[in-house]
Amino acid sequence: KQEVTQIPAALSVPEGENLVLNCSFTDSAIYNLQWFRQDPGKGLTSLLLIQSSQREQTSGRLNASLDKSSGRSTLYIAASQPGDSATYLCALNTGGFKTIFGAGTRLFVKA
Amino acid sequence: GAVVSQHPSWVICKSGTSVKIECRSLDFQATTMFWYRQFPKQSLMLMATSNEGSKATYEQGVEKDKFLINHASLTLSTLTVTSAHPEDSSFYICSAPFASASSYNEQFFGPGTRLTVL
Repeated sequence: KQEVTQIPAALSVPEGENLVLNCSFTDSAIYNLQWFRQDPGKGLTSLLLIQSSQREQTSGRLNASLDKSSGRSTLYIAASQPGDSATYLCALNTGGFKTIFGAGTRLFVKA
Repeated sequence: GAVVSQHPSWVICKSGTSVKIECRSLDFQATTMFWYRQFPKQSLMLMATSNEGSKATYEQGVEKDKFLINHASLTLSTLTVTSAHPEDSSFYICSAPFASASSYNEQFFGPGTRLTVL
């Protein structure tokens, strides 16, 4: 059974810091992996999607990597800003369109 | 990107009543949609897979008679919480996969519906 773990559960950093959020999974047979952002009481905003055959994706200050062999993905946020404060969710598509979510990392960026 | 909408965005109802939540794919067709629920400070848990023109597939532990799903068209799936009770209060989110030229089967999520049962 696929399990997704996100570490840390919560993170508080000063503005301007570069930071890394971690996602690990137990079964390397994945179709793709998405990173989402969720603001309190809101829905999900897709940040990056990495296909199974890809190693990384970049969008602006965000970079996501995927290492299937080790069962890990990281989301790198450069020069963090207070507006980056949110919960970040890692989600795996294991085929058949089913998506399995990690518990998320709650990020707080202090001004 | 593809857009998925939900209606209503929030609803408050009395215990024992039924509530219907709509999920629409606005600019693409979705033969499959997914329904999730999220309790405060927890992650999303898949409840069921909605299939256009056929019965929904429910995850283990989800009561199909409690959470009725109808996928009557290629752009609309509905979730009806029947005889709602306070423990059904949650954030319900739907999603639909969309295959664009650059990303195959990317999941697009609706904005969610917050249900509060008094």
